[in-house]
Amino acid sequence: DTGVSQDPRHKITKRGQNVTFRCDPISEHNRLYWYRQTLGQGPEFLTYFQNEAQLEKSRLLSDRFSAERPKGSFSTLEIQRTEQGDSAMYLCASSLGEGLGDNYNEQFFGPGTRLTVL
Amino acid sequence: QKEVEQDPGPLSVPEGAIVSLNCTYSNSAFQYFMWYRQYSRKGPELLMYTYSSGNKEDGRFTAQVDKSSKYISLFIRDSQPSDSATYLCAMRKGGSEKLVFGKGTKLTVNP
Repeated sequence: DTGVSQDPRHKITKRGQNVTFRCDPISEHNRLYWYRQTLGQGPEFLTYFQNEAQLEKSRLLSDRFSAERPKGSFSTLEIQRTEQGDSAMYLCASSLGEGLGDNYNEQFFGPGTRLTVL
Repeated sequence: QKEVEQDPGPLSVPEGAIVSLNCTYSNSAFQYFMWYRQYSRKGPELLMYTYSSGNKEDGRFTAQVDKSSKYISLFIRDSQPSDSATYLCAMRKGGSEKLVFGKGTKLTVNP
């Protein structure tokens, strides 16, 4: 499978616990994005990476959230001291990021990690 | 007012119908427009990607962008039960990587 993969697919945790999600982008895609989607809403942008550099962060990304992409390949999103309001689908996407034509920054999404905070 | 408005539906049509889905937006800086399809509990799947105004056709799908009216549409011809999903519009400003999504419209195509 050459698409974006995310792990785990589902995570149930208790309030106050830390959780970490992993995203593996499409091979050779330079850009990687994190979004959050709550029930009945469209995805909301959290942050994105160009290779290993984190270039943009949403104000939604509170100080309890941290994302990394240490070698410019896979990325992790960690949520510390989870709250019930963190319950959502966390989506990762990737794009080629460079090249000719207007499709080089098309964002392709993974299946998501569904987080439930009890 | 949200930057992108999309009627959440639900929309129910018979098989074979032409479906029209729409979004309006308020920020004239948006230049790139997308439609994604999302099945229940799955990630969004990119259907159409357009730059600026105009039409783009791909099989049974046609995307239209009218920047003067700040209005985008997705048409689905000969709709099939497998088209039943939530359709999300998304857009992006030039020079920004952030996609701004509508709420999504839930479509059901009845056999």
